Amino acid sequence: GENVEQHPSTLSVQEGDSAVIKCTYSDSASNYFPWYKQELGKRPQLIIDIRSNVGEKKDQRIAVTLNKTAKHFSLHITETQPEDSAVYFCAASAETSYDKVIFGPGTSLSVIP
Amino acid sequence: SQTIHQWPATLVQPVGSPLSLECTVEGTSNPNLYWYRQAAGRGLQLLFYSVGIGQISSEVPQNLSASRPQDRQFILSSKKLLLSDSGFYLCAWSVHNTIYFGEGSWLTVV
Repeated sequence: GENVEQHPSTLSVQEGDSAVIKCTYSDSASNYFPWYKQELGKRPQLIIDIRSNVGEKKDQRIAVTLNKTAKHFSLHITETQPEDSAVYFCAASAETSYDKVIFGPGTSLSVIP
Repeated sequence: SQTIHQWPATLVQPVGSPLSLECTVEGTSNPNLYWYRQAAGRGLQLLFYSVGIGQISSEVPQNLSASRPQDRQFILSSKKLLLSDSGFYLCAWSVHNTIYFGEGSWLTVV
């Protein structure tokens, strides 16, 4: 089955700097890669996703890149702000009958003012 | 638009007591439904998923069970809770692989 690894597990950056979180996956059939942000005590919420037919997607300060050959994808946050502090989860899935999504272990991002 | 509701939001239960968490989805039909558990400071563990009424698949062996009595209702149960069952339980639904989570239920087993 699919296995998703995520690095680093914790990340601290100064406000205004960039943050990069990297994930790898094992199942070559995976073709959908979402990223979730979970603030303390709240539910994870989708912030950006990418499908395998594109290599990069950007939404304001957030971007995701995908390398299907190497089976890795990354989240890039530019001009970080204190409200970006949260746990970020990457995930991977293949189009199946039940949309089974496998999550990475998460990255705790702290943005220091 | 679709919404997902989950309750209760928090509960404290003694070891050996039963559990029932309920989740309903509105604004969609025949959704895929999921129960996830998140231990304190940990990742998201898939417990159960369902592709239709009465169809439940379990991802991990445990003393929990799930049921789907109606199309948009998903219930997580236990007959006897263990201390290790404490955590943040999240119901979710999906469309085109995208998972949408409910507000979550904080369970503390004492």
